[in-house]
Amino acid sequence: QQQVKQSPQSLIVQKGGISIINCAYENTAFDYFPWYQQFPGKGPALLIAIRPDVSEKKEGRFTISFNKSAKQFSLHIMDSQPGDSATYFCAARANRKTSYDKVIFGPGTSLSVIP
Amino acid sequence: ETGVTQSPTHLIKTRGQQVTLRCSSQSGHNTVSWYQQALGQGPQFIFQYYREEENGRGNFPPRFSGLQFPNYSSELNVNALELDDSALYLCASSVYGELFFGEGSRLTVL
Repeated sequence: QQQVKQSPQSLIVQKGGISIINCAYENTAFDYFPWYQQFPGKGPALLIAIRPDVSEKKEGRFTISFNKSAKQFSLHIMDSQPGDSATYFCAARANRKTSYDKVIFGPGTSLSVIP
Repeated sequence: ETGVTQSPTHLIKTRGQQVTLRCSSQSGHNTVSWYQQALGQGPQFIFQYYREEENGRGNFPPRFSGLQFPNYSSELNVNALELDDSALYLCASSVYGELFFGEGSRLTVL
């Protein structure tokens, strides 16, 4: 019930295309859903996050879509660029009052954007 | 504002040895978490410290232990190293729940 599932495992997209990564969860106690971007040799960095009372959040070329009833959420990267090539992790955290800052990460998606 | 810094960046140990990893929190952050990231996997929560007390722990055995100091810096100690402990160990400091990760310490156990 603590698991966050993520697909695809790897993704190759042409420059200018749309990258889509999908995630699903089971634990209804999760109330914060961040996405992290990790480059080789670096730690994960927060990209964008959403709470379940919102169905969509957009920041620049990055959009999170959230379907609370299906317990699914996805990341869309519009106009993908070679600099977006990295590993992306979806994640989830339960209410901080009960679970402090424990974040459950998905297994990651390796994105390659080719020119 | 300085970021999260970790040391050492790389180290090699043999099975059965002990290791200490260090982390300096981002300025103003009073909470530190440690994560283990095996190759090709997502980070796994080890434990969290708030005001020098452990206030949350993941599914890791007691040979994984930690400390947080008054300046909010932290240590992760692993005793009796096993081959499966080989991983990238990430420290994250936080305030109001948003995690800021360091670049990690890459541990190889032979």
